[in-house]
This record gives sequence, structure tokens and C-alpha cells, in this order.
Amino acid sequence: QVQLVQSGAEVKKPGASVKVSCKASGYTFKSYEINWVRQAAGQGLEWMGWLNSNSGNTDYAQKFQGRVTMTRNTSISTAYMELSSLRSEDTAVYYCARGNWGVAATPSLDYWGQGTLVAVSS
Amino acid sequence: ELTQPPSVSVSPGQTATITCSGDKLGDKFACWYQQKPGQSPVLVIYEDSKRPSGIPERFSGSNSGNTATLTISGTQALDEADYYCQAWDSSNYVFGTGTKVTVL
Repeated sequence: QVQLVQSGAEVKKPGASVKVSCKASGYTFKSYEINWVRQAAGQGLEWMGWLNSNSGNTDYAQKFQGRVTMTRNTSISTAYMELSSLRSEDTAVYYCARGNWGVAATPSLDYWGQGTLVAVSS
Repeated sequence: ELTQPPSVSVSPGQTATITCSGDKLGDKFACWYQQKPGQSPVLVIYEDSKRPSGIPERFSGSNSGNTATLTISGTQALDEADYYCQAWDSSNYVFGTGTKVTVL
């Protein structure tokens, strides 16, 4: 079965960087994009960007451009999301999610990781 | 960009209707996600009205004009959760503001 398993919780100081991993199993890793979505406590879902697992190409939401980097290691079916210059407002649960393009040529996020809490505090 | 009512209340066995409004949303495809407290979101509807494998038939969707709608027929206590709509727009995933469904 499809699984996305993320790395554990992180506590970082303002100005630092964090790198979260997402290990995929149960499907051909290169065949689907990996997206990153975050959710602050009590808030809604916020899309950060996606990674083409085959080519390594990326597309980031404008809000995060310049601060986020998404990469992958295809040999171990793992995607990574690194966020730099952290501030308190970045405290949130970060999810990876598989993007699936259906026959209508529009994507949905059909499998999600368990989430990784990133806390930014001095 | 996608607006949902903050909350919807429904009695067990009744129908819950959740709306998602956005400019010309009907020209795009909408998805819906269910998120229970402390859990990851789960896709319940994609491409406006399709149900992924394992999603009960009581979940249905439609999309027309400026509004997408998620309908839960015969609502059960276990359907109590937050629901988010999502559309694909200008190469971005756009999420709705979210609706808390309470089963009274």
C-alpha cells in the first residue's frame, strides 16, 4: 500500500533552517510529484510547492520563493523540503502529499504523510 | 480565494451540505479533503464528483458556476471533521478556508 513516512518533530531557533524528509513506498516514486503543505495550529491548509520526482523540477508558491528548497533522492524514494530563515510564524505541521493527475488533467493530493511538527522558538 | 462557511451543523442521518465559492470555480475541477483532529487530510472527492477507493457512497460532489458543493448524505458521527475544498489554478494548489462539520 502507498505510504509516505515523514521525519520527526523539530525545534529550531529563529533564523535557522529545517529540512524535513518524506520517504515513499508502495508505488513507483518517479511517477508522481510530491507536494508540501503546511498547517499552523488551528488554521487551514497552505500549499508550499511541488517537486517533480522524476526530473527534480520544482514549482514553489510565491509566498515561499527564495526560502524553500525541495529536492529528492530517487535511490531511496525520498523527498525533502528545506525551509530557511525560520521565524515564529513558520511554526506548523508540515505535510508531504502525493500529487495525482487524473484523466481530467487536474491534480489532487491522494496520499499524505503523517505530518512533521516544526516549532520555531527562541 | 476559495471561501467556505466556517461551520455546518447536522443531525445524524441527515444531509450535510458544504459549499466552496470562488471566481469561475465551475471552470476548474474541485477536490475535497476530510481532516479529523490530529490526523492528516484524506481525499474524499476529486475531479468534482469522483470518489477514491474506500470512500463511502454517502460522499458526493458537484461543481457549477462559482460554487463547488460537497454533500454528505445520511451523515454519521464519524463524519465529524474539518473539510477543505481545493482547486488547481495558475499551476498552484489553492485550498478553501475550511468548514468544521459538527454532528449534533
